[in-house]
Amino acid sequence: EVQLVESGGGLVQPGRSLRLSCAASGFKFDVYGMHWVRQVPGKGLEWVSGISWNSGKIGYADSVKGRFTISRDNAKNSLYLQMNSLTSADSAFYYCAKAYGDSYYYYMDVWGKGTTVTVSS
Amino acid sequence: DIQMTQSPSTLSASVGDRVTITCRASQSISRWLAWYQQKPGKAPKLLISRASSLESGVPSRFSGSGSETEFTLTISSLQPDDFATYYCQQYNNVFHTFGQGTKLEIK
Repeated sequence: EVQLVESGGGLVQPGRSLRLSCAASGFKFDVYGMHWVRQVPGKGLEWVSGISWNSGKIGYADSVKGRFTISRDNAKNSLYLQMNSLTSADSAFYYCAKAYGDSYYYYMDVWGKGTTVTVSS
Repeated sequence: DIQMTQSPSTLSASVGDRVTITCRASQSISRWLAWYQQKPGKAPKLLISRASSLESGVPSRFSGSGSETEFTLTISSLQPDDFATYYCQQYNNVFHTFGQGTKLEIK
């Protein structure tokens, strides 16, 4: 069974950092692109960042560019999102999602259950 | 960035109804469009890709159509399990964008 499990969310103060992780299983992780997508409770979906299978192509939404860094460790079947200089606007539910193909240019065909990030003093 | 606009934002319908949700792109995206269903407290689920390709396991009452800037998601005969929020998403541009969502409610 294809599975994505996010972790690392929690309560963090404004200006601080947090690192999200996503553990993948049930598919050949190292040939697929991956995404992070977030959702403020009760609101819509926002694409945050994507990474290709070999980390050769990476993209960020303007809202997080320069503050967030996506990375992956194919040996560990894991995806990461390092989030720095957090603000209340970053408070959301964060989903890890598998891309249909080898780059993040593709749509999301499998989603994790998500992890909550709350930025508050 | 490419803006995606869904209509309506909320749709009230009854079991058995045929419903259509529209998604418009601010510029041509060819057929690089996906549709997702999301239920409260759950992750989105992929229904359709490439504007009209039904994902494996998705009931055939769901269908998608359109190209360039105008797309539709149609549910031919609503079932109780279909009441949820639906999102379109363009992947023509590397900066993926979603529509604001259409909440399908029971009338």
